[in-house]
Amino acid sequence: DGGITQSPKYLFRKEGQNVTLSCEQNLNHDAMYWYRQDPGQGLRLIYYSQIVNDFQKGDIAEGYSVSREKKESFPLTVTSAQKNPTAFYLCASSQGAEAKNIQYFGAGTRLSVL
Amino acid sequence: AQKITQTQPGMFVQEKEAVTLDCTYDTSDQSYGLFWYKQPSSGEMIFLIYQGSYDEQNATEGRYSLNFQKARKSANLVISASQLGDSAMYFCAMSPYRFNQFYFGTGTSLTVIP
Repeated sequence: DGGITQSPKYLFRKEGQNVTLSCEQNLNHDAMYWYRQDPGQGLRLIYYSQIVNDFQKGDIAEGYSVSREKKESFPLTVTSAQKNPTAFYLCASSQGAEAKNIQYFGAGTRLSVL
Repeated sequence: AQKITQTQPGMFVQEKEAVTLDCTYDTSDQSYGLFWYKQPSSGEMIFLIYQGSYDEQNATEGRYSLNFQKARKSANLVISASQLGDSAMYFCAMSPYRFNQFYFGTGTSLTVIP
């Protein structure tokens, strides 16, 4: 089955700690994305990557970092600089730069602060 | 700047009836795609339907149709013959063709009543 796998489903962070959220896709998609969703809100873009070894900041990149060393993987690190990390994080992928650029999503990771 | 507006925070519909979820958008781009996603309580975003800005006919996918009025910048989702499983959050999104970034509305919560 092709799809996007996010892990873990739930994650807890202590003060001053960095945590990494995993996102893996086997759809052979070029582009991958990270979104943050707060209660009652839409999705806001954190980072996106259109090709391996390249990524761009989205609207709310501060306090987050990413890497794209493999086409299949796009991990997100929530650093200690992110003062309000409690949220639902969604990873997505798409074919890339084409008109009908449908994004397909993983099941999400819910991050809470201890 | 791109902006998506969903003015209905919550909607109720009787089972087997049709319901329309509103979405308006603001963009200066001429070429763009419009998307609707469903988010059940589990959290995953499920792609429902796509409409291109140059498509002359309204998109349909099974019980979902998109009422596209380009001049009014409106892209309403119509769900026919509602089912209990349709109860979820619904998000409208827009993506200009010149880059892969999605812009999401704040969503509409739909509850189907037996």
